[in-house]
Amino acid sequence: QSVLTQPPSASGTPGQRVTISCSGSSSNIGSNTVNWYQQLPGTAPKLLIYSNNQRPSGVPDRFSGSKSGTSASLAISGLQSEDEADYYCAAWDDSLNGLYVFGTGTKVTVL
Amino acid sequence: QITLKESGPTLVKPTQTLTLTCTFSGFSLSTSGVGVGWIRQPPGKALEWLALIYWNDDKRYSPSLKSRLTITKDTSKNQVVLTMTNMDPVDTATYYCAHRSYSSGSTWFDPWGQGTLVTVSS
Repeated sequence: QSVLTQPPSASGTPGQRVTISCSGSSSNIGSNTVNWYQQLPGTAPKLLIYSNNQRPSGVPDRFSGSKSGTSASLAISGLQSEDEADYYCAAWDDSLNGLYVFGTGTKVTVL
Repeated sequence: QITLKESGPTLVKPTQTLTLTCTFSGFSLSTSGVGVGWIRQPPGKALEWLALIYWNDDKRYSPSLKSRLTITKDTSKNQVVLTMTNMDPVDTATYYCAHRSYSSGSTWFDPWGQGTLVTVSS
């Protein structure tokens, strides 16, 4: 059901930089802004990045987002053990009557 | 502070109709631009957006589930209700409601409720 494609997994050692990609199409990422959500084990998703690269209050500046064309990426610099979680990209899609689409999700493991 | 909480049955039988209620505080669904969405997550799987209702009663549904979903709001009670007909075991999932935030045409969901696990089984 996911319209946006992400790698299933990513990993790094503490302090490393990890990047997660999110690939979409002209009707979603190509036309609208991208959001990123973090889901820690057993908890509800939490907004991490909105409008491509904006961090909500309280989100560390280790997390950054970018978008180019029909793709987006999330970078985690200075990886920490508490960053081990699932990450989802999302965007509004202008097709049909308009819908919100999520990515396939990426599991980040801190080695 | 915005909070949302989902409520409803934890177990439904196949072919039954599921009714979930999202009770929220910290905002009003009569305020221009505001919305509440529903998202679900089958065990071990990805998030799936289901529906969104706006302050002006405009509604959006997932195309793949549109025929089975109805979203309504009760502004006076600060509640949003989602009904899903003809439930099937594949609909077993944690169902979340979330506040729709926006700016300059962008939409995102923040915060989310804690979620409620619904199991479909006979």
